[in-house]
Amino acid sequence: QSALTQPASVSGSPGQSITISCTGTSSDVGGYNYVSWYQQRPGEAPKLMISDVSRRPSGVSNRFSGSKSDNTASLTISGLQAEDEADYYCCSYAGTESGWMFGGGTKLTVL
Amino acid sequence: QEQLVESGGGVVQSGGSLRLSCAASGFSLTTHGMHWVRQAPGKGLEWVAFTHYNGVNKYFVESVKGRFTISRDISKNTLYLQMSSLRIEDTAVYYCAKDSSVGSYELHSWGQGTLVTVSS
Repeated sequence: QSALTQPASVSGSPGQSITISCTGTSSDVGGYNYVSWYQQRPGEAPKLMISDVSRRPSGVSNRFSGSKSDNTASLTISGLQAEDEADYYCCSYAGTESGWMFGGGTKLTVL
Repeated sequence: QEQLVESGGGVVQSGGSLRLSCAASGFSLTTHGMHWVRQAPGKGLEWVAFTHYNGVNKYFVESVKGRFTISRDISKNTLYLQMSSLRIEDTAVYYCAKDSSVGSYELHSWGQGTLVTVSS
């Protein structure tokens, strides 16, 4: 079970948009519409930001959006704010044998 | 208000056992699937285990199969992770998390985590 592939880091200036990719295989990301994204600030527990590829839970800013094409999912954050600086993880369901798997995480720096 | 509170972490020698608890409040374990996720120091998240709301279907990451078990005490509304044959690489903060509803696949709410340190 290999982790999903995410860039180690991304950065952007306040007000800009950034996109974080999450690449898997046809057995996980490409096989199910069950990709979710989590934000984790230092010393805190992860927080759900996107579920089911593109669904935004109640209370999450509409600046966060998700999409998927084939075996790659993406998280886009528009109108970057300083408070968005955190680690972001994608996660995909991968079937009953493999369960769930996370990406390696992406550190977002707001310049 | 839904809440998850983990406990039971600590220092244990390699080869030893430990049981983690996750006390749930504000909702019933009988209507939600529950996960355990871990995070080694300075590393990323790793999904560990899941139990369906029915408590029957259970899944594990390959590296813990045969060593970890996941269970629930409905009367206490508490989730457990029984860990045995612990290895140095099991050292991590362990989080419990719940799904949002039956049949959902996201980890909707998380506890604050409990640290497990496996020493040699």
